[in-house]
Amino acid sequence: NAGVTQTPKFQVLKTGQSMTLQCAQDMNHEYMSWYRQDPGMGLRLIHYSVGAGITDQGEVPNGYNVSRSTTEDFPLRLLSAAPSQTSVYFCASSSGTNGYTIYFGEGSWLTVV
Amino acid sequence: QQPVQSPQAVILREGEDAVINCSSSKALYSVHWYRQKHGEAPVFLMILLKGGEQKGHEKISASFNEKKQQSSLYLTASQLSYSGTYFCGIQGISGNTGKLIFGQGTTLQVKP
Repeated sequence: NAGVTQTPKFQVLKTGQSMTLQCAQDMNHEYMSWYRQDPGMGLRLIHYSVGAGITDQGEVPNGYNVSRSTTEDFPLRLLSAAPSQTSVYFCASSSGTNGYTIYFGEGSWLTVV
Repeated sequence: QQPVQSPQAVILREGEDAVINCSSSKALYSVHWYRQKHGEAPVFLMILLKGGEQKGHEKISASFNEKKQQSSLYLTASQLSYSGTYFCGIQGISGNTGKLIFGQGTTLQVKP
């Protein structure tokens, strides 16, 4: 069972570079989201999607773009990486919206130097 | 807004009990509880829904006071495996968006 798959697991970027964190789920889940986790800050919602073609901003969307062209995939793009974006990123999905269990991917560790 | 968890950290001996609280400033549809071990993804523990329905582990209990917009997670007879950081996540009652906003976390350490 693959569940929620994130790639890459580790990445080092230089300031100003761009990259895309990939997220795919094989559970036919409608709802997908991206969180970042920094020490002492808990998990903060970046962007989320309630279905293909529909995305919206979370708590900390600045510096990140998302798109949802298929139900399975929800990539997170950093257009111009900054040291403040050094963090652990988690992708998550659930089969519905409110009141449904949310399943997390294993995380992507990103360092911007 | 982000829910507030208390306490921030707890240290227990095996067999002792602990309560972790989660408070919100807005009306809630559901409260989710997750546990995270260092270097790993959060793992689902429980969901409490408006109206009283609960979904989750048999060995972990929780309460949801809708009027006070608060939830508490009860860990009884703690085991070493309970160590980790516990997060509550809230979904608001307005709009069926699925947005789950997490608290800052409560670190639980269980010692032998």
